[in-house]
Amino acid sequence: KQEVTQIPAALSVPEGENLVLNCSFTDSAIYNLQWFRQDPGKGLTSLLLIQSSQREQTSGRLNASLDKSSGRSTLYIAASQPGDSATYLCAVRSGNTGKLIFGQGTTLQVKP
Amino acid sequence: DVKVTQSSRYLVKRTGEKVFLECVQDMDHENMFWYRQDPGLGLRLIYFSYDVKMKEKGDIPEGYSVSREKKERFSLILESASTNQTSMYLCASSLPRGSYNEQFFGPGTRLTVL
Repeated sequence: KQEVTQIPAALSVPEGENLVLNCSFTDSAIYNLQWFRQDPGKGLTSLLLIQSSQREQTSGRLNASLDKSSGRSTLYIAASQPGDSATYLCAVRSGNTGKLIFGQGTTLQVKP
Repeated sequence: DVKVTQSSRYLVKRTGEKVFLECVQDMDHENMFWYRQDPGLGLRLIYFSYDVKMKEKGDIPEGYSVSREKKERFSLILESASTNQTSMYLCASSLPRGSYNEQFFGPGTRLTVL
C-alpha cells in the first residue's frame, strides 16, 4: 500500500531564505507526483506535476525534483517571501485510476 | 485556466438531513473526485468518477453516495448527515487516466453537521 510522508510538519524561515520541502513515498511504481499549495480554509492550488519519466520541473521560484528509485521528491523554493506562507502538499498517483495519495503536508511560515 | 467550482463555501446542516454538495468543472475533464480533509488525517478519497454515470468507491465511501449525470457535474450526497461528517469537502477534476492528468481542485465546502 502506497504511503506518502512529508517531513517536517512545520517550518519557519526568515524572508529571503532558500528552502527545501521533502516528500517520500514507499512504492516507487508511480505515474506522477504533484505538489500543491493550500492557504488556510481554501482549496488546493496545483504548483507542479512531475511525470515518472522526468527528473525535475520548474515554475518561477519553484523547482521540484523526483528520484523514483529512492522514493523521494523535493520542492525547492528560492528567495522565500511572506506570501509563500501556506501548507504544501505532495501527492503521488500510483494506479491507473488517477487516484492520488497525499502526504500530511508541511506548513511553511516565512517571517518578514 | 481550469475552473472547478463548488456550490457552497460554508454549509450548516442538522443530523439526519440529506445533503447535496455540487461540483462543476469547465475543462471537459473525464475524471472527477471527491475528497474530505480533516486535521491529522489529511485528504482522503471518498468517491471518484471517470465518465458519465460511472463511479468508483474511494477509501472512505461509507455514508456517502455520488451522482454524475453530466460530464461537467459531480455531486456528493450525504443520505443522512451525521456529526462525524463535519469536514472540509474538496472536489477535483483531471484528464483521463493514462494521460497527463494533473488534478485541479475547487475552493472547498466547509460542512458543519449539528
